[in-house]
Amino acid sequence: EPEVTQTPSHQVTQMGQEVILRCVPISNHLYFYWYRQILGQKVEFLVSFYNNEISEKSEIFDDQFSVERPDGSNFTLKIRSTKLEDSAMYFCASTSAREQGTGELFFGEGSRLTVL
Amino acid sequence: GQSLEQPSEVTAVEGAIVQINCTYQTSGFYGLSWYQQHDGGAPTFLSYNALDGLEETGRFSSFLSRSDSYGYLLLQELQMKDSASYFCAGCGSSNTGKLIFGQGTTLQVKP
Repeated sequence: EPEVTQTPSHQVTQMGQEVILRCVPISNHLYFYWYRQILGQKVEFLVSFYNNEISEKSEIFDDQFSVERPDGSNFTLKIRSTKLEDSAMYFCASTSAREQGTGELFFGEGSRLTVL
Repeated sequence: GQSLEQPSEVTAVEGAIVQINCTYQTSGFYGLSWYQQHDGGAPTFLSYNALDGLEETGRFSSFLSRSDSYGYLLLQELQMKDSASYFCAGCGSSNTGKLIFGQGTTLQVKP
């Protein structure tokens, strides 16, 4: 069964360093997302991406964050200068046009980011 | 703003039925989804309601009342493997598919 894959599964970095989290969405999906979840809290929307551009972003997604689809398969989240409060699990998700209208997103297993 | 409220924890015994409620305060949600998450792993889609009423998918059912800004997830014939966190999520944009998640309900199923 097709699945969303994310790398790395866990990354430890020093405050102020740049981090790139990578995702391979399901191949025929057109809508891509990044969410984050601070330990023990709810899943928070960061950004949605469609047709090679950001379609919506949250207040969390400030100038330190960027997303890119550099080729036909990868979808990346970059944090330019990490802060302690960026420590969280970052989930990539994708969906098709049909499933997007039914609230069904397909999530990856997440990348745990720890900022020291 | 947009917010969804759920109980933080629910406990039930194996074989029982449990209902997890979700109330929301927002305008513009076009549907309500439910997701399951085991041990902080990938949230997994369970159910979706766009219209008022009950949707049934096997042991899981979900209900929505738009006039009451209220929904619930019903789990029947509980099994130990149903111990997980359950999130309601408002579908906030028909163009982007953005979801706004509730705080989550931790369900503990006891033998």
